[in-house]
Formats: sequence, C-alpha cells, structure tokens
Amino acid sequence: AQSVAQPEDQVNVAEGNPLTVKCTYSVSGNPYLFWYVQYPNRGLQFLLKYITGDNLVKGSYGFEAEFNKSQTSFHLKKPSALVSDSALYFCAVRVLYKLSFGAGTTVTVRA
Amino acid sequence: DVKVTQSSRYLVKRTGEKVFLECVQDMDHENMFWYRQDPGLGLRLIYFSYDVKMKEKGDIPEGYSVSREKKERFSLILESASTNQTSMYLCASMFRYEQYFGPGTRLTVT
Repeated sequence: AQSVAQPEDQVNVAEGNPLTVKCTYSVSGNPYLFWYVQYPNRGLQFLLKYITGDNLVKGSYGFEAEFNKSQTSFHLKKPSALVSDSALYFCAVRVLYKLSFGAGTTVTVRA
Repeated sequence: DVKVTQSSRYLVKRTGEKVFLECVQDMDHENMFWYRQDPGLGLRLIYFSYDVKMKEKGDIPEGYSVSREKKERFSLILESASTNQTSMYLCASMFRYEQYFGPGTRLTVT
C-alpha cells in the first residue's frame, strides 16, 4: 500500500531555533510528495511539493523540504522557527489523483 | 486566488437525521474531494469526483453518498447520521498536482 508516516505526534521548539518535521513514504514508482499546514479552525494550506528535479524544495512562509530517495523521506524544515508557525502539519503522497495523508504532527513554537 | 467554500462551519444534528454538506469552488476544477479529519488519523478520503455526475469511493465511503450535478458544487450526504460521524469534514478541489481546501465543517451528531 502507498502511504506516508509522520513518526512524531508533537514537535516542540523555541523561537529562533531550527524546526524539522519528519515524514517517510512508501510508494511504488516515483513519488509526488506534499506538505500542508493547518492553523486552528482553518482548512489546510499548501506549503510545498516535490514532483521531480532538485531534491531541495522551497515553499511558502520560509519552509523547505528535502527529498531523500534512499531514505524514502521528505522532511519539512525551517531554519528559524516563529511562534506563528505553531500549527498542525501534514505530509501527503499522491496516489493516482488522490492524496494519502499522514496522521499529522503538531508543532508548538515557544517564545 | 482559488476559493473553496463550505456551507457551514459548525453543524449539530441528531442521530438518524439526513445531513447535507455543501462545497463550492470557483476555479472550474474538474476534481473535487471530501475528507473527514479525526485526531491521530489525519485526513481520510470519503469520496471524490472527477467530473459532473462522476464519482468514486474513497477509503471510507460507508454511511455517506455524494452528488455532483454542477461542476462547481460537490455535496456530501449523510443518509442517516450516527454519532460516529461526528468529525471535521473538509472539501477540496484539485488543479494539476495541488489540492485546495475549504475551511471545514465541524459536524456534531448527538
């Protein structure tokens, strides 16, 4: 089955520190990978995607993600976290024209 | 900007009621989706539609049906609501590789 896993339910970091949210995937063929963010009581917002090309993908709000084929990972990163980055983050993989989502990781950035 | 709207942000219904959740997108997208979101489970696909009057079951279609009579509108129907359908429901439309989500409807079935 094609899927993604987010091994951490919660990530806590101090403002100004680097932020990493982990995602691993299991797909046959070349993966199309996505990160979404959900702020409280809001829908999901698209952050970035990997389709092909450069393994380092830059997205919205200063986030980036690194595609690692050998480790089947697509970790989300931000060099310097902000309190406003506190939210729920979802990794997803495209399966035909559907998305299969991870369970989500709650990020809390403390001031 | 793509806009996906959902008819209600919060909804409270009684067990056994028929419930309609409406979703409208304004970008002429062919593909539309209904998900439910539950803590610890992420988003699970209920149904999707790839054109008017066309639909396919997702991962958890039991207890739900859908209707797509116009391209911009995709409705989710709970034929007889049950307490285990209490959840956040998210609608999305898709263009190329990206899905665009509505704000969600938090449904409580009592």
